[in-house]
Amino acid sequence: GAGVSQSPSNKVTEKGKDVELRCDPISGHTALYWYRQRLGQGLEFLIYFQGNSAPDKSGLPSDRFSAERTGESVSTLTIQRTQQEDSAVYLCASSFRLVDTGELFFGEGSRLTVL
Amino acid sequence: KNQVEQSPQSLIILEGKNCTLQCNYTVSPFSNLRWYKQDTGRGPVSLTIMTFSENTKSNGRYTATLDADTKQSSLHITASQLSDSASYICVVSGPGGSYIPTFGRGTSLIVHP
Repeated sequence: GAGVSQSPSNKVTEKGKDVELRCDPISGHTALYWYRQRLGQGLEFLIYFQGNSAPDKSGLPSDRFSAERTGESVSTLTIQRTQQEDSAVYLCASSFRLVDTGELFFGEGSRLTVL
Repeated sequence: KNQVEQSPQSLIILEGKNCTLQCNYTVSPFSNLRWYKQDTGRGPVSLTIMTFSENTKSNGRYTATLDADTKQSSLHITASQLSDSASYICVVSGPGGSYIPTFGRGTSLIVHP
């Protein structure tokens, strides 16, 4: 597709369950980012992938959060043993990072609700 | 610590009026500053980018300014429309290397008819 695609768009789960969110970046974009946005709040950086380099995981809030990316393609964000405070919109963005001024292109987000 | 502060936190204006949003940053070294617009329930979309040597840039009714000496930027919206209602996010990036842009918390703008 032409843009960043995220799935599912909405996910309702019970506390304690694991969830997996998927992001398809724009083809050719070397950089991929995950952000969390709680209701009415700003974007919170979670993790950054750049090509085949080790990811920057400095934003992950706990060891319940993990993410993978194969090469420069699809990424998955996994949240284990979900808690109510994990409820938020999870946004994925990709960028042609080799350019300093590379614009971040965002998906529409995955809205997670933990009951 | 790199930080981006935006003001006001929220703003309500009448359709047709102008407004100015502010962004102060402490990101160093500096490469560029972008303003993004985030409509409710959507992902942010870039409106404009400012690099070190640029002072003013316009995109339709949006005009961004940058003062790299004082590390301040503004976004001016002229003749506001109902569709301008959104969150406006200031994002500052450094050059090369580990590239984690610093996001402001955004200004929520509501335009009333």
